[in-house]
Amino acid sequence: DQQVKQNSPSLSVQEGRISILNCDYTNSMFDYFLWYKKYPAEGPTFLISISSIKDKNEDGRFTVFLNKSAKHLSLHIVPSQPGDSAVYFCAASDYGNKLVFGAGTILRVKS
Amino acid sequence: NAGVTQTPKFQVLKTGQSMTLQCAQDMNHNSMYWYRQDPGMGLRLIYYSASEGTTDKGEVPNGYNVSRLNKREFSLRLESAAPSQTSVYFCASSEVIGTGGSYEQYFGPGTRLTVT
Repeated sequence: DQQVKQNSPSLSVQEGRISILNCDYTNSMFDYFLWYKKYPAEGPTFLISISSIKDKNEDGRFTVFLNKSAKHLSLHIVPSQPGDSAVYFCAASDYGNKLVFGAGTILRVKS
Repeated sequence: NAGVTQTPKFQVLKTGQSMTLQCAQDMNHNSMYWYRQDPGMGLRLIYYSASEGTTDKGEVPNGYNVSRLNKREFSLRLESAAPSQTSVYFCASSEVIGTGGSYEQYFGPGTRLTVT
């Protein structure tokens, strides 16, 4: 039973436009959510996170939105750049315990 | 400051062989983790160590053992490798677990393992 789901295996966006990556979760005990970015042949790197007490967190071109009632979060990248092409993983944690990861979404930014 | 390092980077094993994957972190983190990544499956937790001297099973522990050698090092052992263990293995570390604070985990570069 997947507790964290990324239903879009891939997404293709034109350079300069907005990229929106989505993530759904089922466990209402999750209180902290993270996005990781992964390039081929490298380990995942932390991108941005959000606590369940907030509904938005922004860091430069990256913004994460959390809708607790819908158990949904999204990552917005504006403007998208070719260097953003990577696999993006959504992850969730309940009160500091282990992270549960989604299956990932491959983002391709076309120039 | 190297962060999280893993050895080896690549390994090919025959079915039934054993090997140990090594991981070390220099960030003075208390918690360490081993994940495997398979296509379409994301990252799945194999074992973790919340603090030096403790280890616990994750989502997919069968066929693996771990040792938290000291605060810096956390190894993963395959006693009798099987083709189903062909995967990319990542080690990670974090500052805290179970006590609040930052839940961010820092990952190593991975070990690509093929079992034939």
